[in-house]
Amino acid sequence: NAGVTQTPKFRILKIGQSMTLQCAQDMNHNYMYWYRQDPGMGLKLIYYSVGAGITDKGEVPNGYNVSRSTTEDFPLRLELAAPSQTSVYFCASSPPTGGGYTFGSGTRLTVV
Amino acid sequence: QKEVEQNSGPLSVPEGAIASLNCTYSDRGSQSFFWYRQYSGKSPELIMSIYSNGDKEDGRFTAQLNKASQYVSLLIRDSQPSDSATYLCAVKGGSYIPTFGRGTSLIVHP
Repeated sequence: NAGVTQTPKFRILKIGQSMTLQCAQDMNHNYMYWYRQDPGMGLKLIYYSVGAGITDKGEVPNGYNVSRSTTEDFPLRLELAAPSQTSVYFCASSPPTGGGYTFGSGTRLTVV
Repeated sequence: QKEVEQNSGPLSVPEGAIASLNCTYSDRGSQSFFWYRQYSGKSPELIMSIYSNGDKEDGRFTAQLNKASQYVSLLIRDSQPSDSATYLCAVKGGSYIPTFGRGTSLIVHP
């Protein structure tokens, strides 16, 4: 049972480039989330999904996009990367019964 | 706006002592409360959840909830250097999106 798997673990992007952060879970969780964490700033919700085909914006969605075609996968797309998107990105999932999150190991992104 | 407040610390305790981490929240409709531990450079890990007033114990960890005072705490007994981490409080109301505090840094020194 792998839990929540994120790839890549590290990435350096140049300003204006695009990339997709991958997230997959094998726990059959309906709910999935993307957060970014900046030093001392806590977790900020970017996007979330309550099931395949359903996504919604979180607190800081600008510059990002998501899709949810299957229960297992929830990729995060960065278009036209900016230095402000330098951060650590965490994907998480939770069951519909209201339990806590299971987090992936994170992606450390640097935009230069 | 829903808020979850934690003292950023660092909270420094000697090995073997009790570490007390506190969290207050603004939404009176909150129903679910979680504590996560995050080691430096790692992802948060769920260590405790509590849903009703009172205490919940799990090994060296005790979560305490007081909904009237809008207060949730985490006690760590017999603190070990391996407990040194940032502890995140998360509070969830009727929706499935919890609000996270910024975390309290705990340092357990030998």
